[in-house]
Amino acid sequence: DIVMTQSPDSLAVSLGERATINCKSSQSVFYSSNNENYLAWYQQKPGQPPKLLIYWSSTRESGVPDRFSGSGSGTDFTLTISSLQAEDVAVYYCQQYYDTPYSFGQGTKLEIK
Amino acid sequence: QGQLVESGGGVVQPGRSLRLSCAASGFTFSNYAMHWVRQAPGKGLEWVAVISYDGSNEDYADSVMGRFTISRDNSKNTLYLEMNSLRVENTAVYFCVREASTATTGWFDPWGQGTLVTVSS
Repeated sequence: DIVMTQSPDSLAVSLGERATINCKSSQSVFYSSNNENYLAWYQQKPGQPPKLLIYWSSTRESGVPDRFSGSGSGTDFTLTISSLQAEDVAVYYCQQYYDTPYSFGQGTKLEIK
Repeated sequence: QGQLVESGGGVVQPGRSLRLSCAASGFTFSNYAMHWVRQAPGKGLEWVAVISYDGSNEDYADSVMGRFTISRDNSKNTLYLEMNSLRVENTAVYFCVREASTATTGWFDPWGQGTLVTVSS
């Protein structure tokens, strides 16, 4: 099974500053046949279900602000929020869909400093 | 985009059974693979099970294999999760989620609001 590990567990960033969340998979989630990384990012606010932000490691879902970006390949990935807004306070999860059982990182709690 | 509404959660004693339902609307249900994902109180997300668009294939997390069964009724636009031999550690909010694309991909959108299952004596 693929284990996803995020870092840090929590993060406090000032408004307008950059936030960076890391995600590492225990094995590569890159599929060479289609040149894609099977990695998604979600945002979960309190009392709400998760919301899809990014898939294929770097493709932003429609309607997601362009301050959110994803990068990385193979086993190491990053979610970056270029200029933190108050509404970005949430827990963020990465998820691999390379193989079942699909798995999520443990989550990173993002707060305002 | 679609909407998913779960029901059937509640308080149940260890060892007992419970069936969750998920009513889908706003999209052609029979074209999409569907999943259950759960979240224990204050914890992270755990994938539980998947069923193919036509119900011909299923897969489960090891933690529920042999005790939980995912099924669907495409004529009723409804997804189910039959949970048997429930354990205290199965206490969680259970989310019904759809594959984001009809081409089975593995990322999830949309998500239902979830239904809380509490296993307690």
